[in-house]
Amino acid sequence: ETGVTQTPRHLVMGMTNKKSLKCEQHLGHNAMYWYKQSAKKPLELMFVYSLEERVENNSVPSRFSPECPNSSHLFLHLHTLQPEDSALYLCASSPTRTANYGYTFGSGTRLTVV
Amino acid sequence: KNEVEQSPQNLTAQEGEFITINCSYSVGISALHWLQQHPGGGIVSLFMLSSGKKKHGRLIATINIQEKHSSLHITASHPRDSAVYICAAAFYNTDKLIFGTGTRLQVFP
Repeated sequence: ETGVTQTPRHLVMGMTNKKSLKCEQHLGHNAMYWYKQSAKKPLELMFVYSLEERVENNSVPSRFSPECPNSSHLFLHLHTLQPEDSALYLCASSPTRTANYGYTFGSGTRLTVV
Repeated sequence: KNEVEQSPQNLTAQEGEFITINCSYSVGISALHWLQQHPGGGIVSLFMLSSGKKKHGRLIATINIQEKHSSLHITASHPRDSAVYICAAAFYNTDKLIFGTGTRLQVFP
């Protein structure tokens, strides 16, 4: 257990469904991230939150909607996804927004869109 | 452009072999991270280094700032070392980590 908890671990959803991914950390970190990992590709940054404020949206389609209600929780709301959105979605946190201190990752949610 | 390249993409080894994974980056960095990802998906941080060498158990990470190159070595490899190893760079001109594509290592008994 790294200190960053993601639920669910696996999710299968239809293209018309709405679902949410949850991430929780109690490490006292101020920055939280959503990454997408597709096969044979580097991790792709989706969203960055710093002190509960969204500071980056990396050209992510609007069918992905993040929410950060407080510094410990981060959600990714999903609706009308496409099969190509099937991937491993990883949440990470870091003490500050800078990359120098490294990130703590969750175990990921394996998403399959059918 | 901030780029991170790893080699090889795939690596197989017999138990006990010495393993080397390489990482090159394009411009100046403040830190270089080595990460391990097991089949379940979770990513664990192994090392963060900005100069020289670090050692933890059978793992050794080195970095050459002038050459813009880092290596991860595994001595006396074991099947439980089988995982994807990822390097990530914290470039001076951005506050984001830039990730390599990873090296998939399989160690056979």
